Amino acid sequence: EAQVTQNPRYLITVTGKKLTVTCSQNMNHEYMSWYRQDPGLGLRQIYYSMNVEVTDKGDVPEGYKVSRKEKRNFPLILESPSPNQTSLYFCASSFGSGRGQETQYFGPGTRLLVL
Amino acid sequence: QKEVEQNSGPLSVPEGAIASLNCTYSDRGSQSFFWYRQYSGKSPELIMFIYSNGDKEDGRFTAQLNKASQYVSLLIRDSQPSDSATYLCAVNSGYALNFGKGTSLLVTP
Repeated sequence: EAQVTQNPRYLITVTGKKLTVTCSQNMNHEYMSWYRQDPGLGLRQIYYSMNVEVTDKGDVPEGYKVSRKEKRNFPLILESPSPNQTSLYFCASSFGSGRGQETQYFGPGTRLLVL
Repeated sequence: QKEVEQNSGPLSVPEGAIASLNCTYSDRGSQSFFWYRQYSGKSPELIMFIYSNGDKEDGRFTAQLNKASQYVSLLIRDSQPSDSATYLCAVNSGYALNFGKGTSLLVTP
């Protein structure tokens, strides 16, 4: 089954404790992206990757890191989480970023609570 | 930051009616426009995309694009209670995809 998977689905952590949220897709997509969704603020793009080893900042990159060492994986790293990073996180992927390839498929989401 | 604006709603329509959802965007260079549906607690799922000015129909859904006015809309005909969800407008800006905050639609039986 073609899908985007995220782990963990739910996470409670404490301020300052480094964490990684994994994202994997099995559709051979080149483009991958991370979003956070907050009430009243909608979906905001954190980072995106056009291909292996190619990443760029979205609208809200502060406090996050990403890497794209393999085509299928795009982990999101919070080096020192803070309470304002409590949110619902979505990973998404698409064939590419060109016209006709941009339809993004979303993972199931990761709910993060930082105490 | 490129802006994508939507009325947050809630938009309430009776079952069987036409629901009209609107979106405006600020980046005149945008070429691709998407409508996603998101049920509470779930991930967004694509309804339609549109690239050219005019209308694009898919079943009960019609997307309309007017690049001169920087306006994109979604019409849902014969609305059903199962259409009750938040509808997200998304617009590309270079390699990024910007989402509106979404419009909440409630279809009442």
